[in-house]
Amino acid sequence: SQQGEEDPQALSIQEGENATMNCSYKTSINNLQWYRQNSGRGLVHLILIRSNEREKHSGRLRVTLDTSKKSSSLLITASRAADTASYFCATGRTNAGKSTFGDGTTLTVKP
Amino acid sequence: GAVVSQHPSWVICKSGTSVKIECRSLDFQATTMFWYRQFPKQSLMLMATSNEGSKATYEQGVEKDKFLINHASLTLSTLTVTSAHPEDSSFYICSARDGREKKDEQYFGPGTRLTVT
Repeated sequence: SQQGEEDPQALSIQEGENATMNCSYKTSINNLQWYRQNSGRGLVHLILIRSNEREKHSGRLRVTLDTSKKSSSLLITASRAADTASYFCATGRTNAGKSTFGDGTTLTVKP
Repeated sequence: GAVVSQHPSWVICKSGTSVKIECRSLDFQATTMFWYRQFPKQSLMLMATSNEGSKATYEQGVEKDKFLINHASLTLSTLTVTSAHPEDSSFYICSARDGREKKDEQYFGPGTRLTVT
């Protein structure tokens, strides 16, 4: 069963605006990863945050993790039309090995 | 960085035939590989976990006789869709874990789009 749930399911913004996506999960995790997927293409790994980390940055991306609330957020600042894609969170548990994906957020950035 | 390749990137086959998809870790040894499938506008669903040299572990609801997985080496896992039907048309993605270090990251392949006519 899917553990991660992203919200919103769809987000439409203007170029230059910030986009925030949230991910909630149910069980304890070792890490959480965010991926991007352009339509019909494979996954692109964006960032991994471990359970003992609270915030991580990579370029225009900022990820936070709140293990007490079992939630994570992905912030894309100064969005571009090229950021249009689906974004998925995936939770990882060391003993389980596998990642479990959420349903994804479809982001549309209008030029 | 770690690279995972898949071959073919897309395939069209006739109903009733079998299709083999390869997943390779190019610059690391993958003791564990995972196979996912994704339907249009949906998330990735784990099909099975493949450990080198042993039988794959299938998720509930996935037919092991239909989706044959072989992980014969530390760099190659294959998924064979047997007697394919149109409902098997999907995007299949593999991922691999680096077995040399205790890393948590999975490295994903680019995916294979299967269309069964």
